[in-house]
Amino acid sequence: EAGVTQFPSHSVIEKGQTVTLRCDPISGHDNLYWYRRVMGKEIKFLLHFVKESKQDESGMPNNRFLAERTGGTYSTLKVQPAELEDSGVYFCASSQGVYEGQFFGPGTRLTVL
Amino acid sequence: DQQVKQNSPSLSVQEGRISILNCDYTNSMFDYFLWYKKYPAEGPTFLISISSIKDKNEDGRFTVFLNKSAKHLSLHIVPSQPGDSAVYFCAARDDYKLSFGAGTTVTVRA
Repeated sequence: EAGVTQFPSHSVIEKGQTVTLRCDPISGHDNLYWYRRVMGKEIKFLLHFVKESKQDESGMPNNRFLAERTGGTYSTLKVQPAELEDSGVYFCASSQGVYEGQFFGPGTRLTVL
Repeated sequence: DQQVKQNSPSLSVQEGRISILNCDYTNSMFDYFLWYKKYPAEGPTFLISISSIKDKNEDGRFTVFLNKSAKHLSLHIVPSQPGDSAVYFCAARDDYKLSFGAGTTVTVRA
């Protein structure tokens, strides 16, 4: 069974540009989460989807971040326009039930110059 | 506000000895605590967990202890092996949301 996959693994962009990160959860997992780790600090929750619906986006930093989950399958996280402080590693995780274990993807390392 | 803290950013231990990783939390609503292990260029992988109604959970070489009154948990790895060298994250669950610490980098010396 394939795990959570994320694309790209690395992205380097200029300040002001747009970047879109993609996450493919484990097949059959209705719950999808985005997290971010900045500068070796703690991993912080960004948002939670159940199928295609956003259940909780309380961790989203600001309105430059937009997450979508089309048809309840893969999810995208768009940053527009990117700022220097958006640099970090963005992790996606999925789980079958909301109280079941979350499986993490390898992350996308975003560098904004 | 950081609700889960790992105050030791790094730990170096000799192979075969015990590794003890510590974690403190502030939110009394946390009902489940987890430890994740992370290798470079990989995502965190689940290691072991404990419910807030228990004080100890053991799985092979890994044991997690929970002290609710002190809002403290620890992970013991005995004996430590070279493959245990990784970053270890403490996490706590409130409803479905996980709050993580900043991680402790463990290096096991031969």
